[in-house]
Amino acid sequence: EIVLTQSPDFQSVTPKEKVTITCRASQSIGSSLHWYQQKPDQSPKLLIKYASQSFSGVPSRFSGSGSGTDFTLTINSLEAEDAATYYCHQSSSLPHTFGQGTKLEIK
Amino acid sequence: EVQLVQSGAEVKKPGESLRISCKGSGYSFTSYWISWVRQMPGKGLEWMGRIDPSDSYTNYSPSFQGHVTISADKSISTAYLQWSSLKASDTAMYYCARHGQWLDLDYWGQGTLVTVSS
Repeated sequence: EIVLTQSPDFQSVTPKEKVTITCRASQSIGSSLHWYQQKPDQSPKLLIKYASQSFSGVPSRFSGSGSGTDFTLTINSLEAEDAATYYCHQSSSLPHTFGQGTKLEIK
Repeated sequence: EVQLVQSGAEVKKPGESLRISCKGSGYSFTSYWISWVRQMPGKGLEWMGRIDPSDSYTNYSPSFQGHVTISADKSISTAYLQWSSLKASDTAMYYCARHGQWLDLDYWGQGTLVTVSS
C-alpha cells in the first residue's frame, strides 16, 4: 500500500499570503496524484487532478505540481474562504490512499 | 449536471445489517467507476473500494475487504454499500464519489452519516 504523507498537518495563515502544502508518496506514482478541499460539514471537492490539471470551476489561485514521489499544492493570494482541510489522493495503484490532511486556519 | 445523491442518515444497533445508496444522474452511469470513502468523526478520508457499474466488478481496500460489500444496479443508476453486521466502530460519514478520466474523484455525494450505538 502506498503511503501519502502531507506536510504540514496544520498551518495558520493570513489573507493574501502564499501557501504551499506538500504530499510525499512512499513510492513513485507518476502523476496520479489529486488534491481535494473539504470545508467543515461539506463533502470534499476536487481541486487539482493528475498532479497539475485544474478541475473545472476551481479558482486560478490554486495550482499543483510534481511527479514521482513529491507533489505540491500552492494557493496564491489566500482568501478567507480557503479555510479548509486539504487532502492528496493517489490512484496509481490499489488500494487508493489519501494523505492525512492539512488543515488551514485563516488568521 | 452531474449529481450523486446519497440516502439519508441511519441509526443502527451493533449486529444489525444496513445498505446505503448513491444514485447518479446527469451522466452515463455505466461509464465511470464509483468509489466509497469513509470519514470517521474528526478524522481524515479513507478509501474503501470501488465498483465498475457496467459489470459490477469491484476492488476493495484490504482494510475493508470482508466487512463491507459494494454493489450496483445499473438499471436504476445506483451504487450501494452494505454491511451484514455493524459494529460501533462503523460509526462514520460515508461518501460515494465518481472517478474521472485520471481516476481522480471528480464528483462526490453529500454523504450518509451512519451511527451505530446500543
